Amino acid sequence: AQTVTQSQPEMSVQEAETVTLSCTYDTSESNYYLFWYKQPPSRQMILVIRQEAYKQQNATENRFSVNFQKAAKSFSLKISDSQLGDTAMYFCAFMKPDNNDMRFGAGTRLTVKP
Amino acid sequence: NAGVTQTPKFQVLKTGQSMTLQCAQDMNHEYMSWYRQDPGMGLRLIHYSVGAGITDQGEVPNGYNVSRSTTEDFPLRLLSAAPSQTSVYFCASSSGVWDEQFFGPGTRLTVL
Repeated sequence: AQTVTQSQPEMSVQEAETVTLSCTYDTSESNYYLFWYKQPPSRQMILVIRQEAYKQQNATENRFSVNFQKAAKSFSLKISDSQLGDTAMYFCAFMKPDNNDMRFGAGTRLTVKP
Repeated sequence: NAGVTQTPKFQVLKTGQSMTLQCAQDMNHEYMSWYRQDPGMGLRLIHYSVGAGITDQGEVPNGYNVSRSTTEDFPLRLLSAAPSQTSVYFCASSSGVWDEQFFGPGTRLTVL
């Protein structure tokens, strides 16, 4: 079974600075999808960014980018120019392409300080 | 579009009681899933469906049943509630495996 590990339970960053959240996963699959979801205090789950394993180019979405290292099974999220609204739980997730079975990490609680 | 709706928002049950958590989506999505979220453990997949009439087990299916008679609805049934099922439950839907999953607002369930 696939497992997803987020080794940083909590992190903090000053507003306007850059922070990187770590995620590693374990799988024997060669193709799969990786996601980062954000959960603010409202509890709503929001997709931040996603990456297909067969694409070598790292995905970017505005201030959010990933560092995908397939051989190392690592998928870190970089948030640039952090904003107060980025304060949330961040979950890394893994999904095989042939079904809807998504596995989440335990999450990292990010606090952006003014 | 209402997106993904879940009812109820909160529920308290006694051990042994049964209930159904409702989930509906109006986006004509084929894929739907149920997750539970416990403190310090992230979201864990309970059951999922890839279309009407098709369901499969996820990571933690024991104690839960699902059915998918229509594209829009995906109810989750607790047959005999246990305190270990105290959790926040999320329903999600998407148009495909690669596509964004849209989550409902969640149901906070407490089993006494």
